[in-house]
Amino acid sequence: DAGVTQSPTHLIKTRGQQVTLRCSPKSGHDTVSWYQQALGQGPQFIFQYYEEEERQRGNFPDRFSGHQFPNYSSELNVNALWLGDSALYLCASSLGAVGYEQYFGPGTRLTVT
Amino acid sequence: AQSVTQLDSQVPVFEEAPVELRCNYSSSVSVYLFWYVQYPNQGLQLLLKYLSGSTLVKGINGFEAEFNKSQTSFHLRKPSVHISDTAEYFCAVSDRRGNTDKLIFGTGTRLQVFP
Repeated sequence: DAGVTQSPTHLIKTRGQQVTLRCSPKSGHDTVSWYQQALGQGPQFIFQYYEEEERQRGNFPDRFSGHQFPNYSSELNVNALWLGDSALYLCASSLGAVGYEQYFGPGTRLTVT
Repeated sequence: AQSVTQLDSQVPVFEEAPVELRCNYSSSVSVYLFWYVQYPNQGLQLLLKYLSGSTLVKGINGFEAEFNKSQTSFHLRKPSVHISDTAEYFCAVSDRRGNTDKLIFGTGTRLQVFP
């Protein structure tokens, strides 16, 4: 049973560029949440996708957008990258949007130079 | 809004000694609490969770936590730690808005186990 997978593992981008991160949820899960973890900090909630719609959003600017596909996989897009966007981006999946534990992937390490 | 406070940023301990990692949450009518562990350069792994029922929750790798509603705490304990327990530990609370849950994490506690 495959767990949550994310790609790529590492990514280096230049300030002002755009980036797309990908996530495949654990088998049987239909909800994907994205978190940003800056160095030395706890993860911060970006947004959650359920039934291909953004259901809840954290305190992140519109430069952060996402998408969920019919197979429940998801993408996180970040436009106009800032140096401060450098972080570990974690994807978590769950069964349903409410009341279920979230399983995390290994993350994508994004470095903006 | 829900919040979580992890009182210790670092906890050094010798191998085979007991350890307690402290976590306090903001009060709410109902609360779901979690402890996650993060090993270097990896994602988060769920150690244990409290959803309801018994206030003493047992998790993986010999960890347990006790939910204390009066003190709004959810401290993590292990009676005897191993070198392999060296990692970052995060306490989290589930924040429900409408028909979605999101996790709110503390800032983490680095457990360093020495031989």
